[in-house]
Amino acid sequence: AQSVTQLDSHVSVSEGTPVLLRCNYSSSYSPSLFWYVQHPNKGLQLLLKYTSAATLVKGINGFEAEFKKSETSFHLTKPSAHMSDAAEYFCVVSINYGQNFVFGPGTRLSVLP
Amino acid sequence: GAVVSQHPSRVICKSGTSVKIECRSLDFQATTMFWYRQFPKQSLMLMATSNEGSKATYEQGVEKDKFLINHASLTLSTLTVTSAHPEDSSFYICSARDRGLGNQPQHFGDGTRLSIL
Repeated sequence: AQSVTQLDSHVSVSEGTPVLLRCNYSSSYSPSLFWYVQHPNKGLQLLLKYTSAATLVKGINGFEAEFKKSETSFHLTKPSAHMSDAAEYFCVVSINYGQNFVFGPGTRLSVLP
Repeated sequence: GAVVSQHPSRVICKSGTSVKIECRSLDFQATTMFWYRQFPKQSLMLMATSNEGSKATYEQGVEKDKFLINHASLTLSTLTVTSAHPEDSSFYICSARDRGLGNQPQHFGDGTRLSIL
């Protein structure tokens, strides 16, 4: 079985400072990993995905994530936060290339002016 | 990119009404679509997997007679909440995968906010 832990339910940063959203996973098989962002009353937008290619994955809007098998982690980072980054972020694990998703509980990112 | 359209975005109706929500893949064909429910400040909960031309697969605890799913074509799945009651009020989100590409994520619609009075 797969599971996802997002260690912080809420992260608050100042505009222009780095963002780190943590994600750890558990999987019996080689996983695919995804980060999605959800703005209020909206669906989910794919930020980036890891599917056994390069371990450092670059996504949209300046986000990137690094797959670390030894640490079972897939943390999301961004060098400089923007006000528009304020949203809910979900880490997702799948063992069959996206057919079945297991969602983390989500991390709410607040960006202070 | 892959676009999923979900309609309506918001529904407010009286208790006992049946409500239909549509999920369309606009620029790709989706053999499989997924229906999720999201409670306030919580993550997404998978309700059912919708397969084109066959019966949907429901998750444990989800009433199939309450939440009717139809996936009649490769671009359209519908969720009907039958005889809706206030406890059915929630945010419903659909997603779809491109049948033509092997290793692809799910693409999500913008969700439907259902409020039952």
